[in-house]
Amino acid sequence: NAGVTQTPKFQVLKTGQSMTLQCAQDMNHNSMYWYRQDPGMGLRLIYYSASEGTTDKGEVPNGYNVSRLNKREFSLRLESAAPSQTSVYFCASRTGTEFNEQFFGPGTRLTVL
Amino acid sequence: AQKVTQAQTEISVVEKEDVTLDCVYETRDTTYYLFWYKQPPSGELVFLIRRNSFDEQNEISGRYSWNFQKSTSSFNFTITASQVVDSAVYFCAVDNFNKFYFGSGTKLNVKP
Repeated sequence: NAGVTQTPKFQVLKTGQSMTLQCAQDMNHNSMYWYRQDPGMGLRLIYYSASEGTTDKGEVPNGYNVSRLNKREFSLRLESAAPSQTSVYFCASRTGTEFNEQFFGPGTRLTVL
Repeated sequence: AQKVTQAQTEISVVEKEDVTLDCVYETRDTTYYLFWYKQPPSGELVFLIRRNSFDEQNEISGRYSWNFQKSTSSFNFTITASQVVDSAVYFCAVDNFNKFYFGSGTKLNVKP
């Protein structure tokens, strides 16, 4: 099993450009999550999807949109990138029951110039 | 609002010393889970332990142990006989029905 995979690993954008971060899991998990991690800080939840067909805002959703394409895939879109969105983005998944632990992807390092 | 505070920004110890990482959380809810994750220099996030809000029994797992005290909203994590490979950033987190809040992390440096 590959676990949680994220593409791309690195990306540089110019202010105002758009892009989509892709995330996929092969563990048949119901819940998926997007976080951002800024230097010296913990992870902050952007959006999550408790189950296929549902999405909800987390702590810092402004400037982002998400799509739960199917049970395996959960994408994060930046419509008009800003320098404040420079960060490392992590995708995670879990079974969705009994407050189980999350399994994280390797992260995407995004720089917005 | 939920909040997780890890007051220790960075800790340095010498190998074989015991080290305790502190975590204090805030939540208005009675049902929640607490977690510890490790982020080694390679950057991935690794699950370590979890505890639910109704179980204050402290446990030991190998070199790891944790102390959960609901009365003080603390969930501290101890590594016994630290090793160089334990060098990483450690995050405490609270999970309240899919709303996760992470602390800012404690960087642990274990020197040989």
